[in-house]
Amino acid sequence: DVKVTQSSRYLVKRTGEKVFLECVQDMDHENMFWYRQDPGLGLRLIYFSYDVKMKEKGDIPEGYSVSREKKERFSLILESASTNQTSMYLCASSPETDNQPQHFGDGTRLSIL
Amino acid sequence: AQSVTQLGSHVSVSEGALVLLRCNYSSSVPPYLFWYVQYPNQGLQLLLKYTTGATLVKGINGFEAEFKKSETSFHLTKPSAHMSDAAEYFCAATASGGSYIPTFGRGTSLIVHP
Repeated sequence: DVKVTQSSRYLVKRTGEKVFLECVQDMDHENMFWYRQDPGLGLRLIYFSYDVKMKEKGDIPEGYSVSREKKERFSLILESASTNQTSMYLCASSPETDNQPQHFGDGTRLSIL
Repeated sequence: AQSVTQLGSHVSVSEGALVLLRCNYSSSVPPYLFWYVQYPNQGLQLLLKYTTGATLVKGINGFEAEFKKSETSFHLTKPSAHMSDAAEYFCAATASGGSYIPTFGRGTSLIVHP
């Protein structure tokens, strides 16, 4: 069964900390995505990557960066966490033939205190 | 930029009743259209998608959606609701002529009563 795994389901961090959210997929997919999900706002794209070491900004990249050193792993980094980054974060992947996300992880609920 | 509007943040139906979740998009040319479902405490699953060809698209779990260009709509339906259909549903659409990464609507929570 295909799998997108996010390293933490729940995470609590403090303002100003550097936070790493990890995502691994086992489907050899080229495309990987990071979204944040907030009530009443749906999903908003933060960054996506279409190949190793390649990245593109999404709709709300400010305050975030990403890293894709290996094909199966896509990391989201909050350089200096702020309370307005408290949210649910979803990672997704798809093969290069499909630009829309196909498989999602179960999400990381991040709280910044 | 593409925008997607889902009418109704919550829809409530009785078990066995018709499910209708509404979605309208803003593109002036036919985009690619998608419906996703999110069960509690899980990520999203792709229910169905329209790219080209037949305008009535069948998906998983008995859901289907019809692309209507004249109405810029892509409503999701299911003839008979099950309790297990209770979830959050998201419509998404690509922008035309640019990135094919879809834009998501705000979601509709489907509540199914016994």
